[in-house]
Amino acid sequence: GQNIDQPTEMTATEGAIVQINCTYQTSGFNGLFWYQQHAGEAPTFLSYNVLDGLEEKGRFSSFLSRSKGYSYLLLKELQMKDSASYLCAVRDPGGATNKLIFGTGTLLAVQP
Amino acid sequence: DAGVIQSPRHEVTEMGQEVTLRCKPISGHDYLFWYRQTMMRGLELLIYFNNNVPIDDSGMPEDRFSAKMPNASFSTLKIQPSEPRDSAVYFCASSLHITGGPYNEQFFGPGTRLTVL
Repeated sequence: GQNIDQPTEMTATEGAIVQINCTYQTSGFNGLFWYQQHAGEAPTFLSYNVLDGLEEKGRFSSFLSRSKGYSYLLLKELQMKDSASYLCAVRDPGGATNKLIFGTGTLLAVQP
Repeated sequence: DAGVIQSPRHEVTEMGQEVTLRCKPISGHDYLFWYRQTMMRGLELLIYFNNNVPIDDSGMPEDRFSAKMPNASFSTLKIQPSEPRDSAVYFCASSLHITGGPYNEQFFGPGTRLTVL
C-alpha cells in the first residue's frame, strides 16, 4: 500500500525559515508534488521533484531523497500570506497515470 | 484562459435528496479527477477519468455515488440519496497526460461545499 506522513501543524514567525517534512512509503516512485491550500480555497501547485536534490522557485524550495523516501518543502522569508495548509502528494507508481496520492497536509501558521 | 469550473459553489440539501455536482475541465486536458475533502480524512480521490473513460473508482464510498463524463468538457458527480456524512468540499481537478508537459500537475477547481442536513 501507499502511505504519506506529514506533521499536522507547524508555527513559524514572519521573516523566518520553515521546513515542512514529508515521508512516503510506496511500492515505486514516479514523482512528488507539493501543493498549497489557503483556507476555503482550492489546492494550487507549488513544486515537483522526480530526481534527488533541491528544486528552487523563489522563496520556496523542495528537496527529494528517493532512497530515504523523504522530501521537504523549505519556505524562506516567511510572510503572513504563507499561512496555509501544505500538501505532499506522490504520483501513483503503478504505471502511466497521473493519479496522485495526497498526505493529510501540514497546517502552517505564520505569526507576526 | 479559464481554469477548472465547478458548479454549484455551495449546496445545502436535506437528507435523502439527490445532489448533482458539475465540472468543466481545462480544455485539452486528458485527465479529470473528483476528490472529497474533510477535516477528518483530508483530500480523498473518489474517481478519475482518462479521455472520458473511468479508470479507477475504488475511492467511491458506496453505490450512492456515481460519476459520468459524457464528453471531454463535462463531468458530473451524483449522490443519491444524500446523507449528512456526505457533507464535505468536493473538488474537481484536471491535468494533461503524464507525458504532456514538464510537471503534468493537477489543476483544481474552486470546489463545491456540500451540506446535507
